[in-house]
Amino acid sequence: EAQVTQNPRYLITVTGKKLTVTCSQNMNHEYMSWYRQDPGLGLRQIYYSMNVEATDKGDVPEGYKVSRKEKRNFPLILESPSPNQTSLYFCASSLSRTQREKLFFGSGTQLSVL
Amino acid sequence: AQTVTQSQPEMSVQEAETVTLSCTYDTSESDYYLFWYKQPPSRQMILVIRQEAYKQQNATENRFSVNFQKAAKSFSLKISDSQLGDAAMYFCAYRSNNDMRFGAGTRLTVKP
Repeated sequence: EAQVTQNPRYLITVTGKKLTVTCSQNMNHEYMSWYRQDPGLGLRQIYYSMNVEATDKGDVPEGYKVSRKEKRNFPLILESPSPNQTSLYFCASSLSRTQREKLFFGSGTQLSVL
Repeated sequence: AQTVTQSQPEMSVQEAETVTLSCTYDTSESDYYLFWYKQPPSRQMILVIRQEAYKQQNATENRFSVNFQKAAKSFSLKISDSQLGDAAMYFCAYRSNNDMRFGAGTRLTVKP
């Protein structure tokens, strides 16, 4: 089944403790991206990647890191999480970056930073 | 930068009735796509419908249709014969080759 697999689904952590949210797609998609969803703000892009070893900042990249060493994986890293990073996170992918391509989303990660 | 505005944080509709969700956007580009995504309580993001900016004909998918007004930069979603399963958060989205943006969302309640 074609899908974007995102883990974990829920995560509670404390300020400053490094964490990684994993994202993997099995559709050979070139484009992958991370979003955070906050009430009243919708989804805002954190980082995106056009292909392997090609990543770029989105609108809210501060406090986050990503890597794209393999085409299928695009992990989101929070080196030193803070309470303002408490949010719902989504990984998404599409065949390419072209505008007609719809995004395939993971099931989301609800992160709470205490 | 492009922006997407959904001016209705919440909407409600009676089952079997019709409801329209509003979306406006701002862009200087001529080639882009517009999307509506549905997010039910399960949190899964589901594509409802998409519209190519170059096509004048409004997209339709079963009970879902759009009213695309390119000059006015408006892209509303009409849901006909509303069902209980339509209750969800709906996000309007814009995508060009260089940008992808979402609106803040409209929470739709369907009353039995």
